[in-house]
This record gives sequence, C-alpha cells and structure tokens, in this order.
Amino acid sequence: EAGVTQSPRYAVLQEGQAVSFWCDPISGHDTLYWYQQPRDQGPQLLVYFRDEAVIDNSQLPSDRFSAVRPKGTNSTLKIQSAKQGDTATYLCASSFRYEQYFGPGTRLTVL
Amino acid sequence: QQKVQQSPESLTVSEGAMASLNCTFSDRSSDNFRWYRQHSGKGLEVLVSIFSDGEKEEGSFTAHLNRASLHVFLHIREPQPSDSALYLCAVIYNTNTGKLTFGDGTVLTVKP
Repeated sequence: EAGVTQSPRYAVLQEGQAVSFWCDPISGHDTLYWYQQPRDQGPQLLVYFRDEAVIDNSQLPSDRFSAVRPKGTNSTLKIQSAKQGDTATYLCASSFRYEQYFGPGTRLTVL
Repeated sequence: QQKVQQSPESLTVSEGAMASLNCTFSDRSSDNFRWYRQHSGKGLEVLVSIFSDGEKEEGSFTAHLNRASLHVFLHIREPQPSDSALYLCAVIYNTNTGKLTFGDGTVLTVKP
C-alpha cells in the first residue's frame, strides 16, 4: 500500500513569491491534515478536511494561506506572498478513523 | 489552549544504555497519547500509542502514562545509533476530532 506522498520535497523562494504544495493521501482515507513544522519545533496543525469539507482552519493564516481538497482525495496548500517566517517543513497526514499517517513533508525556505 | 512540553531538549546516550524521555500535558481528560520518531528529512513514524494509565510496550519502546501527574514517558531499551532522531510527544485531547497537539521534541543522539 502506498503511503502519503507530497511534492515538491523542497522549495526555495524569495519573499513575496507564491508557492503550492501538493498531497496525495492513502487511498480510502477520508481525513487529511496539513501541519507546519518550523525548525526545531513540533508540528502545528494548520487545517484539516473530512472528505472535501474543511473541518477546522482556525490556525491557517487566512490572509496568505489557502487549502483545498475539491474531490475529497488530493489536496493543495498554497501560500501567497511568502514571508521569511513561513520557512518550515509542511507535513501532510491522512487517516481513516484515528491513526494519522504522515508524508515526508515539503521543506520550504523563504529568503 | 492545550500545552504539551517535552524534556530534555536533547539527550545523548551510549549504544545499549536506556534512554528516557519526558512529556507533560495540561488536561487529565485527554483521550490518547502518542510518541513519534522523525529522522532528519523524513516524515513521522508512530512508535507507541497509549490511552490508559500504566505501561504499553512496542518492541524496544515503552510508554508510561500517569494522568494524575500529567506525565507520559518514553523509555527506549538498548538504543542503537540508528535510533538517533527527533522524538515527538503528541496528545489527542478529543478523539472525536483526532487533532494532535505536539510538543517540540527531544533530539536523541546514540553514540556507538
């Protein structure tokens, strides 16, 4: 069974540029999570979906971050006008019921 | 806001010596507790999940939960250099949501 896949694995951009991250969850998993993990810190939940519906996006900086999961399968997280403070690893996880399975993450550096 | 704190920030042990990591949480009614391992540049690997007071063993990893003292420990028996990684404690405060709240981790280094 394939695990959670994410792309790209790395991204480097200048402040003000936009970037999108893509996540393909494990087949059959109805719940999908996006986490931000700054260097030397634990992951912090940004947003999560059940099927195509957003369940909680209270930690998503709504002015620059957006996330969609239009068909309840793959998901895209987008950052408009990135800032240096967005430098972090962005992790995607999926679950069916309780156990979350994590992808390898996308490491973002904003110069 | 729920808090999860881990100590120490970093720990170095010799190969084969027991490693003990500590995690404190803020709500005794939390549903579930997990320990994850993250090798550099990799995703999170769940090591052990526990929801009742007491101990739970998974291979060389043992979690010990004490809700009264708000602590959950991870003991690693006979660690190898390949166990060098970031260890993260996570708490599910409400199983209905499945939301994980993480600590900032302990960096474990196992010296040959």
